[in-house]
Amino acid sequence: DAGITQSPRHKVTETGTPVTLRCHQTENHRYMYWYRQDPGHGLRLIHYSYGVKDTDKGEVSDGYSVSRSKTEDFLLTLESATSSQTSVYFCAISVLGSGGASDTQYFGPGTRLTVL
Amino acid sequence: TQLLEQSPQFLSIQEGENLTVYCNSSSVFSSLQWYRQEPGEGPVLLVTVVTGGEVKKLKRLTFQFGDARKDSSLHITAAQTGDTGLYLCAGKSGNTPLVFGKGTRLSVIA
Repeated sequence: DAGITQSPRHKVTETGTPVTLRCHQTENHRYMYWYRQDPGHGLRLIHYSYGVKDTDKGEVSDGYSVSRSKTEDFLLTLESATSSQTSVYFCAISVLGSGGASDTQYFGPGTRLTVL
Repeated sequence: TQLLEQSPQFLSIQEGENLTVYCNSSSVFSSLQWYRQEPGEGPVLLVTVVTGGEVKKLKRLTFQFGDARKDSSLHITAAQTGDTGLYLCAGKSGNTPLVFGKGTRLSVIA
């Protein structure tokens, strides 16, 4: 258990509304990630962070923004939610090993988001 | 773009049978990992392989990293209903984030 919590765990919202998902960790890990998981697509990286105020885009970043003002919190915002953003969202932290050759990720429990 | 192809996508077997799932790529990875995900939960790491040709065993699960570090396999001996889940492989290369395959969904029937 890497002390990762996500909130909310479930959310239903309407198209066009802004939504913010929160990921909180208790162990001061540097790297944090947001993924979405959809049937047939597996886990796809949205954005990631390598430190406070240091973020970068992943594979499916369009329509999403992130912020990291504190080491322990990584926020994912959908500026104007669309039905295509209905998904399960996972946050993860990363522990690098073997001189950076490996990267163990620990995942939160997920947030199920439905956009109507 | 690095891609990891997993096969089969779905697998349904009887308890006690053996099975192998595959993770293939045209790219070389410095390490490859296998995760298992159960419904309603996040993926959990099973193993990391780093050296080409490396074999690791975790009880009834055997993981192998290809000699060229482009592919990996997971073999389960005498499957049990508790092995049911989504198995994901993930590859690491350089400073880029992990790349995940789409997963193999395993169902073990009693």
